[in-house]
Amino acid sequence: KAGVTQTPRYLIKTRGQQVTLSCSPISGHRSVSWYQQTPGQGLQFLFEYFSETQRNKGNFPGRFSGRQFSNSRSEMNVSTLELGDSALYLCASRGLGEGTEAFFGQGTRLTVV
Amino acid sequence: QQQVKQSPQSLIVQKGGISIINCAYENTAFDYFPWYQQFPGKGPALLIAIRPDVSEKKEGRFTISFNKSAKQFSLHIMDSQPGDSATYFCAAFLSGTYKYIFGTGTRLKVLA
Repeated sequence: KAGVTQTPRYLIKTRGQQVTLSCSPISGHRSVSWYQQTPGQGLQFLFEYFSETQRNKGNFPGRFSGRQFSNSRSEMNVSTLELGDSALYLCASRGLGEGTEAFFGQGTRLTVV
Repeated sequence: QQQVKQSPQSLIVQKGGISIINCAYENTAFDYFPWYQQFPGKGPALLIAIRPDVSEKKEGRFTISFNKSAKQFSLHIMDSQPGDSATYFCAAFLSGTYKYIFGTGTRLKVLA
């Protein structure tokens, strides 16, 4: 089985811009979650989608948004970028009937300058 | 109540030694506790996981010990190897919230 694929792997953006990150889950997995990883805050939950519905959202400002498509692929968008948004953004997918194991992609390294 | 506290922050172990990483949680409703291993430039990879109705789970050189009454769980890496040098994260999952709460991570270095 192919793993979780995140694109792009690296991004450099300027403050005030917006960015869209993409995640393709493992084939057959319908749950996609997003996490932000920074040295100071560790891994923080952003949101989770299942069958195109957001089921939970973390404590992040409204500039962070996401969506999921009918093929389970997901995107997250960050608008009006701030320097503090520089982080590794990780996507994880989970399947039904497989317990609650989450499989992570390699992440997108976002740098805001 | 949603925190997972992990210690130590860093750990240096000799090759062949035992690495022990500890985590503590507050919310007794957590129902799944995985450990993840992360190498630089990579995403976290699931290592081993346990549910609270089990006190110990072993997979190869990796063992989780779970103490429900103390609300603590730990990862033991037996016969530690230089290839085990990575950052390890414990996590807790609460069914119905669809999210993991992660510990702050332990940077393990195994000396050759």
